Parts: sequence; C-alpha cells; structure tokens
Amino acid sequence: EDKVVQSPLSLVVHEGDTVTLNCSYEVTNFRSLLWYKQEKKAPTFLFMLTSSGIEKKSGRLSSILDKKELFSILNITATQTGDSAVYLCAVNAGGTSYGKLTFGQGTILTVHP
Amino acid sequence: DAGVTQSPTHLIKTRGQQVTLRCSPKSGHDTVSWYQQALGQGPQFIFQYYEEEERQRGNFPDRFSGHQFPNYSSELNVNALLLGDSALYLCASSLRRTQAHEQFFGPGTRLTVL
Repeated sequence: EDKVVQSPLSLVVHEGDTVTLNCSYEVTNFRSLLWYKQEKKAPTFLFMLTSSGIEKKSGRLSSILDKKELFSILNITATQTGDSAVYLCAVNAGGTSYGKLTFGQGTILTVHP
Repeated sequence: DAGVTQSPTHLIKTRGQQVTLRCSPKSGHDTVSWYQQALGQGPQFIFQYYEEEERQRGNFPDRFSGHQFPNYSSELNVNALLLGDSALYLCASSLRRTQAHEQFFGPGTRLTVL
C-alpha cells in the first residue's frame, strides 16, 4: 500500500527563520510528488515534482525531490506570519492507482511575530 | 476563470441519515476526485470520476457512492451516516490527459454528524 510520511508533525518558529519540511514516500509506479498549503479549508497547490534533483522555486519557497532516496523537502526562507498553515505532501502514482493522491499527515507550521 | 466550487459549505446531519455533496470542477477539467479529511489528518482518497464512470476507489465502504454528470460536475452521496463520517469533504479537479495529474481543490464541505 502507498505510504507518505511527513516530519516534523508540527513546528513553531519566529519570523525570519528558515524552515525545512520533510516528506518520505513508498509508492509503486511513482509519477509525481505534490506540495500543498492548507490554511482554512482548500489545500492550495505549491509545487509538483517529477524529476529528481531539479529544484522548483517560487519566491521564498523551494522544493526538491530525490527519487533514489524516496523523499522531498520543502524549504521556506525568511518566514512570515502568513506562512502559518498546514503543509501537505502527496504522491501521485500510476498503474492501477493512476490519479489517486496519497497524502501525508501534514506539518503544522506556526510562525510567531 | 472559475476554480473548483463545492456546496454546501457546512452541513449538520444525524446518524442514519443520508447526505449529498456537490462539486463543480475548474473550467476545462474533466476529472473529479473526492477526499475525506478528518481533523488533524491528511486527506484520504474516496474515489475518482472520469467520463461519468468511477475509475479509482479508495478504502471506503459502499455507503459512499458518487456520480459524474455530462458537464463534469459531480456528487458524493453518503448513506446511513455514522459519527465517524464527520469530516471535511474535499473535491479536486484535474485534466486526465495531464501525465502527472495535478489536482486543484475546492473549499470543501464540513459535515458534522450528531
């Protein structure tokens, strides 16, 4: 069965700090790994990673995938209070699981002023 | 460009009742997936619809059923509600031909079963 594990489960930092969120996975027929930010209800899409070693970057957020070691990290630099949210990692598999996203439990990030 | 929309926003039901949740996908998308998110957990895949057929199903009982209409919108039906069905129900839409199958989520329906 496909499995996604995120760590840490929660993190409390101060504005300006840099954080690294981790996601490891075990999945058959890997297609992509996705990161989402969930503040109130709808998870909002951050990144989709399909190739190993290529960093995706958007402003202060960046993410990289290691398909050999089966993990991804999400980095947030110069954190702001608006970064406080649950960060979800999900894996998209192929084959008989095509189209099904398997999510991790999420990392709760709290940024204090 | 309209994103994914869901209705209703909130719903309160009692045990044993039935509920129908609705989802309209993002414009141009043809595939709808449903997820259940219990408090403090990541979303769990319920099922996915494409071309008006259920294509994938997660580990949910037959009490959970769905439908997709010709305009790609979708419904999730839950029969014989249990207290454990209380959760945020998320709908996600995507374009099936996109190889990596990126999915966009709606705001969800918060279901409370008393």
